[in-house]
Amino acid sequence: QQPVQSPQAVILREGEDAVINCSSSKALYSVHWYRQKHGEAPVFLMILLKGGEQKGHEKISASFNEKKQQSSLYLTASQLSYSGTYFCGTESGGGYQKVTFGTGTKLQVIP
Amino acid sequence: KAGVTQTPRYLIKTRGQQVTLSCSPISGHRSVSWYQQTPGQGLQFLFEYFSETQRNKGNFPGRFSGRQFSNSRSEMNVSTLELGDSALYLCASSLGRANEAFFGQGTRLTVV
Repeated sequence: QQPVQSPQAVILREGEDAVINCSSSKALYSVHWYRQKHGEAPVFLMILLKGGEQKGHEKISASFNEKKQQSSLYLTASQLSYSGTYFCGTESGGGYQKVTFGTGTKLQVIP
Repeated sequence: KAGVTQTPRYLIKTRGQQVTLSCSPISGHRSVSWYQQTPGQGLQFLFEYFSETQRNKGNFPGRFSGRQFSNSRSEMNVSTLELGDSALYLCASSLGRANEAFFGQGTRLTVV
């Protein structure tokens, strides 16, 4: 099953913060986050592997709650360049790579 | 290093025809995954190949098939095309599980 992302869309003014949530009904081995700009390929942001792991990427960070099978992506002091669609991808057990992506969160940052 | 290359970038096919898409992964990457992207559906997993073996398959009909060659290049084939197959097809290469996936620019398939 696809992980569920929320919100589906969000509009921010430059400098505002946002949180994108991702939840799964399956036990997770890892969570991936990607950003896709219009007309471009998805670009990797980060992977979280351990329960409770947090990572940062410039002003974008994420957390992974393994017990709740949830991950959140935090965007702080948003910039115009943050606009795009954010996808979370989840991997469950099995030993092989199968990243199942959510339907995405469309984020637009306006001046 | 060179990125993931997909060819062709655009295709227009007629319903009932078949199509083959190609993906050249980043050098050294043995895992290649294919995704179908349509508005509202996000990225739908098709299948994953590692060292010429299909290890995972998504919920797509048997008309969708693929293969991987010894140099890790991969092809995806769709037979008996339907209008609903119109989509952006993306391939991604990686070192394997829990590793960053690098996406190609995709092949935009339009079925008329």
